[in-house]
Amino acid sequence: GNSVTQMQGQVTLSEEEFLFINCTYSTTGYPTLFWYVQYPGEGPQLLLKVTTANNKGSSRGFEATYDKGTTSFHLQKASVQESDSAVYYCVLGDAGSWQLIFGSGTQLTVMP
Amino acid sequence: GGIITQTPKFLIGQEGQKLTLKCQQNFNHDTMYWYRQDSGKGLRLIYYSITENDLQKGDLSEGYDASREKKSSFSLTVTSAQKNEMAVFLCASSPGTGQDTQYFGPGTRLLVL
Repeated sequence: GNSVTQMQGQVTLSEEEFLFINCTYSTTGYPTLFWYVQYPGEGPQLLLKVTTANNKGSSRGFEATYDKGTTSFHLQKASVQESDSAVYYCVLGDAGSWQLIFGSGTQLTVMP
Repeated sequence: GGIITQTPKFLIGQEGQKLTLKCQQNFNHDTMYWYRQDSGKGLRLIYYSITENDLQKGDLSEGYDASREKKSSFSLTVTSAQKNEMAVFLCASSPGTGQDTQYFGPGTRLLVL
């Protein structure tokens, strides 16, 4: 079945440092891949979305590239801010299903 | 745009009690979802509904019932609250399938004494 793996449970950075959050996926189909972000006390919200038609997505300075060869969908940002502190989820969606498959999440803490 | 409203925001229950959580959306979306989020963990799907009066079980449906009385609302019932249970229940909606963005409510925080 479909699955998503996020190995980094926690990432701590200082402001203006480079962010890289690792995500790999497994599927037999042609998935849509998402990154969702969840701030304290709120529900997750969409950060960016990439389909098979366009292999790269970006939003608010974040970027993710859909690599079918390595089945990876890593999240990057060149320079983080304290306001980026949140939990980031890598998520897989499939046209043949109504369900989204969530990774376990990565807690990002950015120190001022 | 639209909004998802979840009530109540906080719910404190007793062991063995039946507890009901409610969700309303004004996106006019067909599909609605209930997830459970435990501290430090990801989201696990409890139930979803692809249209009014439809119900589909997720991986975590045991111990829960759900009801989709109309397109805009989706209720979740904890059939028998477990002592010391603590979790956040998140409601979401989307226009259709797994290729569509899901929009989440702020959550209901449950504590069972």
